[in-house]
Amino acid sequence: DQQVKQNSPSLSVQEGRISILNCDYTNSMFDYFLWYKKYPAEGPTFLISISSIKDKNEDGRFTVFLNKSAKHLSLHIVPSQPGDSAVYFCAASDRNQGGKLIFGQGTELSVKP
Amino acid sequence: EAGVTQFPSHSVIEKGQTVTLRCDPISGHDNLYWYRRVMGKEIKFLLHFVKESKQDESGMPNNRFLAERTGGTYSTLKVQPAELEDSGVYFCASSQYGTGGYGYTFGSGTRLTVV
Repeated sequence: DQQVKQNSPSLSVQEGRISILNCDYTNSMFDYFLWYKKYPAEGPTFLISISSIKDKNEDGRFTVFLNKSAKHLSLHIVPSQPGDSAVYFCAASDRNQGGKLIFGQGTELSVKP
Repeated sequence: EAGVTQFPSHSVIEKGQTVTLRCDPISGHDNLYWYRRVMGKEIKFLLHFVKESKQDESGMPNNRFLAERTGGTYSTLKVQPAELEDSGVYFCASSQYGTGGYGYTFGSGTRLTVV
């Protein structure tokens, strides 16, 4: 049973427009949600996180929104740049699980010039 | 600051052979994690060390997998004997904090192919 799901395997966006990546989860015990970015042949790189007590966190062009009632989070990238093309993973952690992360399947973002 | 280092970067072995993957975490990071990504699917947790102790090994697939972290520094993950379904990318990550909110630093991974 997959606790974190990213239902869109891929997304294509024009440069300068907004990219919206979505993630759903089932476990209400998750206390942090994170987004990682992964380029080919590299490890995932931490991008941004949000605590379960907040509904929004912003860092430059990246904003994560959390809707706890819907068990849904999204990552907004504005404006999108070609260098943002990568696989984006949503992940969640439960403070009682020692930092173990549960990842989604990833969404491949392609930003076209 | 050096990042998380993993080697080899690639390994191709025959079914039934043994392979040992190594991870050098960031110096001073007590928490070390192993994850695996199989066939483009989600990245799955394997186990978590705090210093030299196994904190959580609930994700280890079976007893063909053995992880060690002698002295609380580098870690090894041995697969013996390897099976075809063990193919995938094995990631190591380290963290100062044992909670997920701060994020980890991942290594570049070891791509294991069992033929």
